[in-house]
Amino acid sequence: GQNIDQPTEMTATEGAIVQINCTYQTSGFNGLFWYQQHAGEAPTFLSYNVLDGLEEKGRFSSFLSRSKGYSYLLLKELQMKDSASYLCAVTDSNYQLIWGAGTKLIIKP
Amino acid sequence: GAVVSQHPSWVICKSGTSVKIECRSLDFQATTMFWYRQFPKQSLMLMATSNEGSKATYEQGVEKDKFLINHASLTLSTLTVTSAHPEDSSFYICSARVADWNEQFFGPGTRLTVL
Repeated sequence: GQNIDQPTEMTATEGAIVQINCTYQTSGFNGLFWYQQHAGEAPTFLSYNVLDGLEEKGRFSSFLSRSKGYSYLLLKELQMKDSASYLCAVTDSNYQLIWGAGTKLIIKP
Repeated sequence: GAVVSQHPSWVICKSGTSVKIECRSLDFQATTMFWYRQFPKQSLMLMATSNEGSKATYEQGVEKDKFLINHASLTLSTLTVTSAHPEDSSFYICSARVADWNEQFFGPGTRLTVL
């Protein structure tokens, strides 16, 4: 079966760095997405990785290792507004998006 | 960036009534639109995938006769919840995609409460 694993919840301090991991087992791979979702709102796109390596975009970076079925989202200089759920999603061989359950990130002052 | 709208943003209805939710891609043509449901503190659950001009593909466990999807044009898809019951109360989110490889652009969601 297809499976995406990410931690349920993480806590970090304002100004610090946090890494949210995601591992996947899917039938085929056509890219991995990270989305941010604030409570009561729809997800918003953060990043897309299809090749191995690190993609940096401001305070957020995303890493992919296809051979290990592994990705992480790195958030630097954390701000209170970064408190949200972070969803990892993989596009499989049929271009279907397979969603992880999401990681709730709590930022403390 | 691409914008997807949903209407209404929230709706309260009586049990047994039907509710229609519209999803529009405002500045692009979407070959595929997706309908998701999200219960509190849970992740997105894909309900169905619809391509313009063809029947929607429903996920296992989703009743196609209860959740009617119409994708009449490249910019509009509608989800009708027929004979709604309290257990149908949820956050319904649509998304649109230009091509297989492209990201999904999400609408703002519709919160449905069935009394």
